Amino acid sequence: NAGVTQTPKFRVLKTGQSMTLLCAQDMNHEYMYWYRQDPGMGLRLIHYSVGEGTTAKGEVPDGYNVSRLKKQNFLLGLESAAPSQTSVYFCASSSHRAGNEKLFFGSGTQLSVL
Amino acid sequence: GDSVVQTEGQVLPSEGDSLIVNCSYETTQYPSLFWYVQYPGEGPQLHLKAMKANDKGRNKGFEAMYRKETTSFHLEKDSVQESDSAVYFCALRSKSSGDKLTFGTGTRLAVRP
Repeated sequence: NAGVTQTPKFRVLKTGQSMTLLCAQDMNHEYMYWYRQDPGMGLRLIHYSVGEGTTAKGEVPDGYNVSRLKKQNFLLGLESAAPSQTSVYFCASSSHRAGNEKLFFGSGTQLSVL
Repeated sequence: GDSVVQTEGQVLPSEGDSLIVNCSYETTQYPSLFWYVQYPGEGPQLHLKAMKANDKGRNKGFEAMYRKETTSFHLEKDSVQESDSAVYFCALRSKSSGDKLTFGTGTRLAVRP
């Protein structure tokens, strides 16, 4: 049972470099999300998608872009990494059915920007 | 917008102690309330939920009562175990946030043996 899979698990970047984080889910979920987790800040929503081909901004979208070309995949891009983007990134997915409130999270990507 | 406040960043009970982890919320709409738990090295997972006022969520000996009059959803357990050690996030979901989850800042529970 794979659930939500994130790659890579760890990454170190230099300031100004770019990278893409990949999230894949095998539960046929409509909704997908990218969060970042920082000490004392909890989980903050970066971008989300309510279906294939759609994306929307969350609470902290600046410096990130996303794409949802296939229903099962949700990509998070950093075009020019900054030290402030050092964080743990979590992808999540959920069903669109009303009343189904459960988010399924991946195991996270730890990103350090030097 | 919606907000969730967890006042304790960390709690350090001993095994067998009772536990209360505070959660207060603010929203203009009628919310659903959740507790998510995050074990070391893992992503958060749903721990318990309550969908309407006076509902009580329960899981693995933990309980939380949805109290609309005090806008609270405190997490309680009579006797904690070392295996309960984790980070606990309170969250709400409402129409005013476009049905997206709003999380609190989290409370780290470290149970001493």
